[in-house]
This record gives sequence, C-alpha cells and structure tokens, in this order.
Amino acid sequence: EIVLTQSPGTLSLSPGQRGTLSCRASHDISSNYLAWYQQKPGQPPRLLIYGASIRATGIPDRFSGSGSATDFILIIDRPEPEDSAVYSCQQYGGSPWTFGKGTRVEI
Amino acid sequence: QVQLQESGPRLVKPSETLSLTCSVSGVSVSSGSFFWSWIRQPPGKGLEWIGYVNNNGNVKYSPSLKSRVTMSVDTSKNQFSLTLRSVTAADTAVYYCARDPVMCPDGNCYVGYFDPWGQGTLVTVSS
Repeated sequence: EIVLTQSPGTLSLSPGQRGTLSCRASHDISSNYLAWYQQKPGQPPRLLIYGASIRATGIPDRFSGSGSATDFILIIDRPEPEDSAVYSCQQYGGSPWTFGKGTRVEI
Repeated sequence: QVQLQESGPRLVKPSETLSLTCSVSGVSVSSGSFFWSWIRQPPGKGLEWIGYVNNNGNVKYSPSLKSRVTMSVDTSKNQFSLTLRSVTAADTAVYYCARDPVMCPDGNCYVGYFDPWGQGTLVTVSS
C-alpha cells in the first residue's frame, strides 16, 4: 500500500501570498496518477487536480499541481478567503487507492 | 448536472450489516465511461477508499475491507449500493459515493480519481 504523507499539517496564508502544499509517497506513483481535493467543513471533497497537474473543470487557475514519482506539490497562488479548507492528495497508481491525511489551509 | 445522493440507515448496531444506496442523476450508471466508488471518512480523520463497481457489475475492493464488503449496481434504478457486514465502532464514518471517470489517453484505460462526490451520510455504529 502506498502511504501518502502531507506537509505541513496547517498552513496560514495571507491573501495574495503563495502557498505550497507537499505530498510525499512511500513508493513511486506510476504515471503520476495523483489527485488533489479541497474539502470545506460539512462538505464533500471537490476534485481540484488529477494526473498530478491537470486542473479539473471549473477550477481557478490559481490552483496548480506538479511533481512526479514520490514528490508532488499543490500551489495556491494569490489565495482568496474562500480557499480556506483542508486539502488532501490521493494516489491511484497502485492498489488500494490511498489518501493523505490532509493539510489545513487558513487564509 | 451530475448529482449523487447517499441514502440508508444512520444508525447500525455492532455485528450487524450496514447498507447504503447511491442514487445518481444526470448520468447513467450503465455508461461504460465511469466506475462508481464508495469512500468513507471517520469523524476528524482522513479519507479511505472502500471499493468500486462498474456497469457490468465488476468490482474491486480495498484489501482491508474485502472480506466484509459487497457492492452492486442497479441499472434499472440508476443506483449503486454498498453492504458492509459485521460492523464495529471503527466503521463509524461519513460514507460518500463518487463517480470515477474512465480515462483512455493513449489507448490504455485507467480509473482512480473521484468527481463528483455525493454529500455524504454519517453512519454511526452503536448499540
């Protein structure tokens, strides 16, 4: 099973300040099959990024993903107050599919 | 607009069976372009993938739950379902259903990310 470790646990940002979230895998993730989700309290996760760097439909371009193998990042550029949420990474390159524990972002 | 909605009992007794249904609108579960997954999230904890079912009834389950899980699809009702047997307090969680797009960028097809998700339903295991 691929274990995903996210850091930091909590990230406090000012509007307009770039935020970088890390997701590190215990084994290489084949074909960069990694996704990022945003989850606000009381809501289901929302897909932001898949394939490590492909933005999902309707996601603002201030969200971007990159990385390969075991190291992936999500960047929130010029965050807005509504971006306060928990961000989780998920790999689907190896079975079973697994999630990281999340990074809480406070704007 | 694609929507998914979970339904089922909110309280289940220990050792009994948890049964949930996901009703889908805006897309047919018969479509070969999607698989259909269940994911859960214990209170205050991270997400755990439980398994998926496709339009042909083919399934894949997480090894940690495989011995207790059954999933199926009902194309006549445009629904899919989850059964989890012999539950304990550790199975208390918000249960989500979600759609898995089938992607075939270079002739090789894969699934694995979830979009969209249902609102989720909290199932508590308690006597």
